Amino acid sequence: EVHLVESGGGLVQPGGSLRLSCAASGFTFRNYWVTWVRQAPGKGLEWVANINQYESEIYYLDSVKGRFTLFRDNAKNSLYLQMNSLRAEDTAVYYCARDTFGFFDSWGQGTLVTVSS
Amino acid sequence: EIVLTQSPGTLSMSPGERATLSCRASQSVRNNYLAWYQQKPGQGPRLLIYGASSRATGIPERFSGSGSGTDFTLTISRLGPEDAAVYYCQQYRSLPRTFGQGTKVEI
Repeated sequence: EVHLVESGGGLVQPGGSLRLSCAASGFTFRNYWVTWVRQAPGKGLEWVANINQYESEIYYLDSVKGRFTLFRDNAKNSLYLQMNSLRAEDTAVYYCARDTFGFFDSWGQGTLVTVSS
Repeated sequence: EIVLTQSPGTLSMSPGERATLSCRASQSVRNNYLAWYQQKPGQGPRLLIYGASSRATGIPERFSGSGSGTDFTLTISRLGPEDAAVYYCQQYRSLPRTFGQGTKVEI
């Protein structure tokens, strides 16, 4: 069974940094694209970034470009999202998802990031 | 960027009824690269439909998707209490991937 577990969320001040992790199991992680999607409190879903199997293709939402960095460690079956210069509008539950040709067929339970002073 | 608009915002239904959810795109979603998800409170989304009409693994036959171009529909026949959730459409024709704002189904 595919399993994705996010961690690393928490409370951070504006301008601060946080690194999210996503641990994958139940499938061959190195064979798949992976994606981060976020959801602000009471709001809808917003795609944030995705990465291919070899880290040779990485794409970001315009509003996070230059602030967020997505990378992976296939040996550890893990995905990471380094978030710098955080803003109040980055407050959300962050989900990692397995990306199959652009749609997301398995999701984690999410980790909450709160940016507030 | 492809903007997806879902309607209605909220659907109040009775058990056993059929629900019809709409998703309209601001430009053509070629190859029908359109997916539907279900999200219940406190949970991550679950993939229901991809390619506009293909059911994901384990999804009951009463969930069906249709449409092409700019107009897509998710139909849930014979609603049950377990179908109360928010439903989102998502396009994967181009980057950035975008979602509709969601339709809440109340039973």
